Amino acid sequence: GESVGLHLPTLSVQEGDNSIINCAYSNSASDYFIWYKQESGKGPQFIIDIRSNMDKRQGQRVTVLLNKTVKHLSLQIAATQPGDSAVYFCAENRGTGFQKLVFGTGTRLLVSP
Amino acid sequence: NAGVTQTPKFQVLKTGQSMTLQCAQDMNHNSMYWYRQDPGMGLRLIYYSASEGTTDKGEVPNGYNVSRLNKREFSLRLESAAPSQTSVYFCASSEALGGTPNEKLFFGSGTQLSVL
Repeated sequence: GESVGLHLPTLSVQEGDNSIINCAYSNSASDYFIWYKQESGKGPQFIIDIRSNMDKRQGQRVTVLLNKTVKHLSLQIAATQPGDSAVYFCAENRGTGFQKLVFGTGTRLLVSP
Repeated sequence: NAGVTQTPKFQVLKTGQSMTLQCAQDMNHNSMYWYRQDPGMGLRLIYYSASEGTTDKGEVPNGYNVSRLNKREFSLRLESAAPSQTSVYFCASSEALGGTPNEKLFFGSGTQLSVL
């Protein structure tokens, strides 16, 4: 079946390093992808999104890369800080007329000082 | 600007009890959603409301009912709680009318529900 998945459940990095969180998707018809950050005890917080007509999009310290050939999505965080420690979810939108986000299970990012 | 507000934050129920989870947004958003989050699984859509006065089932609607009370408020009701409904529940909203695809959601902080 089709699914949204993540390559690594936990990623540990040192403060100041660059972090890369990966996500695989299998629905070639999905045309919109989102990354969310979820801190402990809080709701998901929007980070960045990308449409399928783009390969790359940059935000503040974050970059999302989309490789449609291999159905792969990645989130890059530059100069990772302790405040970046959280669970990161990718999601793909398979909706046709209504919002239907399919979320991955998440990757936990641990940033050590 | 509070965004999306959920109450209560924690709740413990006995099997068979009923309760309503409240959600309100102050962003004048048209669409609202209820998700549940279980360990090892992604967020799953329970119900959504694409506009005031409309509601539709999501991926896992069984055992739940919803009410879009007005544009701001969207409640989730468990009529007869079951242990399988132990989860963290998130309300979300988005701006577009009709829940247009390709639009980001704003989430509340969640309600942790335990059914014994």
